[in-house]
Amino acid sequence: NAGVTQTPKFQVLKTGQSMTLQCAQDMNHEYMSWYRQDPGMGLRLIHYSVGAGITDQGEVPNGYNVSRSTTEDFPLRLLSAAPSQTSVYFCASSYTYGGAEAYEQYFGPGTRLTVT
Amino acid sequence: KNQVEQSPQSLIILEGKNCTLQCNYTVSPFSNLRWYKQDTGRGPVSLTIMTFSENTKSNGRYTATLDADTKQSSLHITASQLSDSASYICVVSLLYSSASKIIFGSGTRLSIRP
Repeated sequence: NAGVTQTPKFQVLKTGQSMTLQCAQDMNHEYMSWYRQDPGMGLRLIHYSVGAGITDQGEVPNGYNVSRSTTEDFPLRLLSAAPSQTSVYFCASSYTYGGAEAYEQYFGPGTRLTVT
Repeated sequence: KNQVEQSPQSLIILEGKNCTLQCNYTVSPFSNLRWYKQDTGRGPVSLTIMTFSENTKSNGRYTATLDADTKQSSLHITASQLSDSASYICVVSLLYSSASKIIFGSGTRLSIRP
């Protein structure tokens, strides 16, 4: 199993550009999520999905869109990049949604995004 | 307010020494607490998961403890190795909650010196 994969590893955008961060998992997990990690702060949830066709907003959803057409893929779209979106983005998946049950959450290697 | 606070923010120890990292939380109602290890430039990797009824769990040289009454957890690393240099993140989940109610601490940055 490859686990959770993310592409690209690094990206530089100009303000106003759009792009899609890719995330895929091969563990047949129903639950997938996107986080951003900024220096000195804990990971913050952007969007999540509890299964194909179902998505919902997390703590910091503004400026980002997601879709879930298959169990395996969960892309994150930046509509019009802003310098405040400079961050490291992590995709994660787990067997069940939420953290209320003690199932392990698997993280991808991250995408480091810089917006100038 | 649901919060997870970790201390210290950073720590430097010599190889072979032991250390303990702290996590205090105000999350309620509590479901479970996780410790993750995050190497530089990589995603977090789970070390331990503890539910309300568990007060200690080990994973090799890593031992996590949980005191649900005082809402404190610690991660003890025994006989540290250079490969233990990483950030350690405490994560607390609310009971019967959605994904938006998983609270991450900001981490402790551990450096092991030879």
